[in-house]
Amino acid sequence: QVQLAQSGAEVKKPGASVKVACKASGYSFSAYYVHWVRQAPGQGLEWMGIISPGGDYTASAQKFQGRLTLTRDTSATTVYMELSSLRYEDTAVYYCARESPGSGGLDDWGQGTLVAVSS
Amino acid sequence: QSALTQPASVSGSPGQSITISCTGTSSDIGSHNLVSWYQQHPGKAPKLVIYEVTKWPSGVSNRFSGSKSGNTASLTISGLQAEDEADYFCCSNAGGSTYVFGTGTEVSVL
Repeated sequence: QVQLAQSGAEVKKPGASVKVACKASGYSFSAYYVHWVRQAPGQGLEWMGIISPGGDYTASAQKFQGRLTLTRDTSATTVYMELSSLRYEDTAVYYCARESPGSGGLDDWGQGTLVAVSS
Repeated sequence: QSALTQPASVSGSPGQSITISCTGTSSDIGSHNLVSWYQQHPGKAPKLVIYEVTKWPSGVSNRFSGSKSGNTASLTISGLQAEDEADYFCCSNAGGSTYVFGTGTEVSVL
């Protein structure tokens, strides 16, 4: 079955960068867009960005432009999300999610990765 | 891009129907049919319950239904059950490949 397995929790200092991995299995990795969504403690969902099946196209929410880098390694069936210049307010659970083709619907999600920004 | 607006909470008794609204603008909900809804139980990843305004993913109960009018989308849960108690989020395409989520609604089953 479809699985998106994310890397483990991270603790980072302000100003540092974090890179979260999302390993896909159980489906044709090169055929689906992948989104990244985050959720701060006790808060709602926030859309961050998207990467195309071939990794040649990315888009991100305006607030993350310049700080967010999305990449994918087809041979490893893994998508990566890197967020730089971390601030305390970046503390959140970060999710990767697969988009059902052309629908905008995110039909499979990773288990989430907690990133805590603390001095 | 501002978050779509949802009521903070909605409640109903078992068996009743409830409707959650999601208000956006002419740049997101008003001009796209890529509106989806997600259910999230505490400590869990979100689950897709409606996509493309009205469609059900495989395995999702048809007690969930979606609609859209102008800049507002709605999710209706019919025959409310205890297991429906969760947070619900709408999401819309906001132009190009960008998306925006709603503020979220906590559903309580009385």
